[in-house]
Amino acid sequence: DTEVTQTPKHLVMGMTNKKSLKCEQHMGHRAMYWYKQKAKKPPELMFVYSYEKLSINESVPSRFSPECPNSSLLNLHLHALQPEDSALYLCASGPRTATTGEQYFGPGTRLTVT
Amino acid sequence: ELKVEQNPLFLSMQEGKNYTIYCNYSTTSDRLYWYRQDPGKSLESLFVLLSNGAVKQEGRLMASLDTKARLSTLHITAAVHDLSATYFCAVVGGGTSYGKLTFGQGTILTVHP
Repeated sequence: DTEVTQTPKHLVMGMTNKKSLKCEQHMGHRAMYWYKQKAKKPPELMFVYSYEKLSINESVPSRFSPECPNSSLLNLHLHALQPEDSALYLCASGPRTATTGEQYFGPGTRLTVT
Repeated sequence: ELKVEQNPLFLSMQEGKNYTIYCNYSTTSDRLYWYRQDPGKSLESLFVLLSNGAVKQEGRLMASLDTKARLSTLHITAAVHDLSATYFCAVVGGGTSYGKLTFGQGTILTVHP
């Protein structure tokens, strides 16, 4: 299995809602990543987990809360988002950290905040 | 801070023509990636370049890396419509950028008949 899966594919939420994005990989990778991508822009790194521990937080607002329950799963909990948070959220995994292997990207979740 | 710059940002090509996309980066790195992204889709890995002088080819695309010049190129040979997409290069940083993949701005390629 060489896939990274993400659910849901599309999500529309209000500014007072709480929702979660899910990411799963079964490649035995020990590094997992969340990226945010706005239209016509490159992906921007949000969080990196290495061996299920948060190793990088790119000063992301606290309304985004990552969680790595085990080596195969990565969640992104969303609360009190703003319309400017609407974007494509990409999950990726890699053999270890980005210095030692390439990253494999999931299909993304298209998030719209109303 | 690691900076990655691509050019051109927009490229309109005729089918059958050749062209090159350039990727410059600001600090030492010996690991560079090229990705393709179709509209509304995720990123597809094209090439991983791991050392100075590395050259990789897949179909009509060929990528190379010159770590001394901090430059990578993605050469397109005899373009076809199916190559229309956005192409990103990305570099692994060191120092304060350790463990991070920094992307170029992307090159939007459109191939016309």
